[in-house]
Amino acid sequence: GNSVTQMEGPVTLSEEAFLTINCTYTATGYPSLFWYVQYPGEGLQLLLKATKADDKGSNKGFEATYRKETTSFHLEKGSVQVSDSAVYFCALSDQTNFGNEKLTFGTGTRLTIIP
Amino acid sequence: GAVVSQHPSWVICKSGTSVKIECRSLDFQATTMFWYRQFPKQSLMLMATSNEGSKATYEQGVEKDKFLINHASLTLSTLTVTSAHPEDSSFYICSAYRLSSYEQYFGPGTRLTVT
Repeated sequence: GNSVTQMEGPVTLSEEAFLTINCTYTATGYPSLFWYVQYPGEGLQLLLKATKADDKGSNKGFEATYRKETTSFHLEKGSVQVSDSAVYFCALSDQTNFGNEKLTFGTGTRLTIIP
Repeated sequence: GAVVSQHPSWVICKSGTSVKIECRSLDFQATTMFWYRQFPKQSLMLMATSNEGSKATYEQGVEKDKFLINHASLTLSTLTVTSAHPEDSSFYICSAYRLSSYEQYFGPGTRLTVT
């Protein structure tokens, strides 16, 4: 079955540091890949996504590239801010049912940015 | 952006009683909603897929008679935990699928504690 392995946290960085959160996956077929972010007290929000190999998703300074050869989708940001403190989830979707895509999540990585 | 609400945000109930959790899409219609369960420091586990006007589809290992799902309208799905036991204590999260953007929007979650 599908699975997502995500870098364990918590991760603590200083403001303006470079961020990498590793994510690898196992899937049959050609899944779409996602990064979701959960701020304190809020629901998960889609941060970025990529639907095919070599696609790069980007949003709010975050980037992740769909690497089929290494089955990875690592999240990166060049200079983090205190407001980036949140829990980040890597996920993949099973595209067997269009319009009814099941998501498989990683365990989440808690990121704390200190001023 | 699309908003999904959950009610209540937290609930404490006694063992043997039932509790109902509501999930509403506030500004769009959702023919499909999903219910997840999240254990501490673990990923979200899909429990069931809820389709408006039809029976929910449960994931393997999820007791359909214990976790009753009703998707009575295009903006409301409910999860009822029947005869709750302490092992049902968890964080329950719903999402609603918006077809126009091919994206799931998540509620903020409901923390259930069974005493």
